[in-house]
Amino acid sequence: GAVVSQHPSRVICKSGTSVKIECRSLDFQATTMFWYRQFPKQSLMLMATSNEGSKATYEQGVEKDKFLINHASLTLSTLTVTSAHPEDSSFYICSARRLAGPTDTQYFGPGTRLTVL
Amino acid sequence: KQEVTQIPAALSVPEGENLVLNCSFTDSAIYNLQWFRQDPGKGLTSLLLIQSSQREQTSGRLNASLDKSSGRSTLYIAASQPGDSATYLCAVTGYSTLTFGKGTMLLVSP
Repeated sequence: GAVVSQHPSRVICKSGTSVKIECRSLDFQATTMFWYRQFPKQSLMLMATSNEGSKATYEQGVEKDKFLINHASLTLSTLTVTSAHPEDSSFYICSARRLAGPTDTQYFGPGTRLTVL
Repeated sequence: KQEVTQIPAALSVPEGENLVLNCSFTDSAIYNLQWFRQDPGKGLTSLLLIQSSQREQTSGRLNASLDKSSGRSTLYIAASQPGDSATYLCAVTGYSTLTFGKGTMLLVSP
């Protein structure tokens, strides 16, 4: 089946630093990838939609200058949390959209736990 | 805008019981509906995927149904086990986006 990986799985950083999270589709090409954030005991919330070769589309309330998204290839999207602060501590999950005939399915990465001290 | 609601928010049952988790959505124009399992601090595990043209899907002790016209889905878990304890999320795929419910936290006690 389709596999999506994320790296790193867990990161702890100091306030003010930037953190890059990678999302890769390992066995299929994904023209669209999505980034979600999940705070404790909350549902996943879509942050942005990343399309290969174009600018990401951000959801309302998500700062595009703080959460930089790059989708440079059909198998890789990166999310960079710039100047991270403790309130950015969260679980970040990516997904990759696979179109196969009539089906349209998202496959999820295992997530990245970000802790900002 | 699509809204997904899951009821109940939490459920505690003794081992062996059959149980039903409910999911409703406001916009019936969906491609598919998925049920996920999430263990504390972990990512998502896809359990069942129902395409919009399908009525139900089964995997082991799990059965999910979809009534697109009424905007409802149920996840049926037979003979529950302590290992089933987790949060169960329902999500619907609309036009290039996925909307999640807040989940049902299930606790199955031995």
